[in-house]
Amino acid sequence: DGGITQSPKYLFRKEGQNVTLSCEQNLNHDAMYWYRQDPGQGLRLIYYSQIVNDFQKGDIAEGYSVSREKKESFPLTVTSAQKNPTAFYLCATSDRGLITEAFFGQGTRLTVV
Amino acid sequence: GNSVTQMEGPVTLSEEAFLTINCTYTATGYPSLFWYVQYPGEGLQLLLKATKADDKGSNKGFEATYRKETTSFHLEKGSVQVSDSAVYFCALSSPNAAGNKLTFGGGTRVLVKP
Repeated sequence: DGGITQSPKYLFRKEGQNVTLSCEQNLNHDAMYWYRQDPGQGLRLIYYSQIVNDFQKGDIAEGYSVSREKKESFPLTVTSAQKNPTAFYLCATSDRGLITEAFFGQGTRLTVV
Repeated sequence: GNSVTQMEGPVTLSEEAFLTINCTYTATGYPSLFWYVQYPGEGLQLLLKATKADDKGSNKGFEATYRKETTSFHLEKGSVQVSDSAVYFCALSSPNAAGNKLTFGGGTRVLVKP
């Protein structure tokens, strides 16, 4: 079944801990993106990657880190430096850098307890 | 930089009413424009798109026309259903923007009552 898989769907983190959100795709898309969505608000770009082994900071990269070792995978780590990490995180992919449509995963809801 | 402004919600309608969600943008060059829909607890799905001026995107009864002269891409549907209740996002992608990333509006929540 083709698509984007984000896991887990729900994640709870204690303050001071790092957590890693998974994003896997089998669409063979070159570009992958991480967005953050806060309640009642739009999407803000955290990091994006156009090709393997390369990625760029988005608008709110502080407190986050990513890697792109494989075309299919773009994990996001929320570090303890992120002061307000509770949010809904969305992974997206696109072919040829977003001139065509972006495809989104189902999201991971992260809650700090 | 690029930006997208859309009307704030929530928008509450009765079934079979006419829906309009306004969207205006600021961008360099010639952006592609998109409308995405988000159902509760889910990711975003592309609803429709337009890649050049005067293009009309349409899908599932929704339409939007790319108006370069007014830098707008308003979403319309003639007769909404309860199942259209969702959050709608206007977005743009500009090939001249560094990194080719989507820029989203703040989203408009639509609630359709039976």
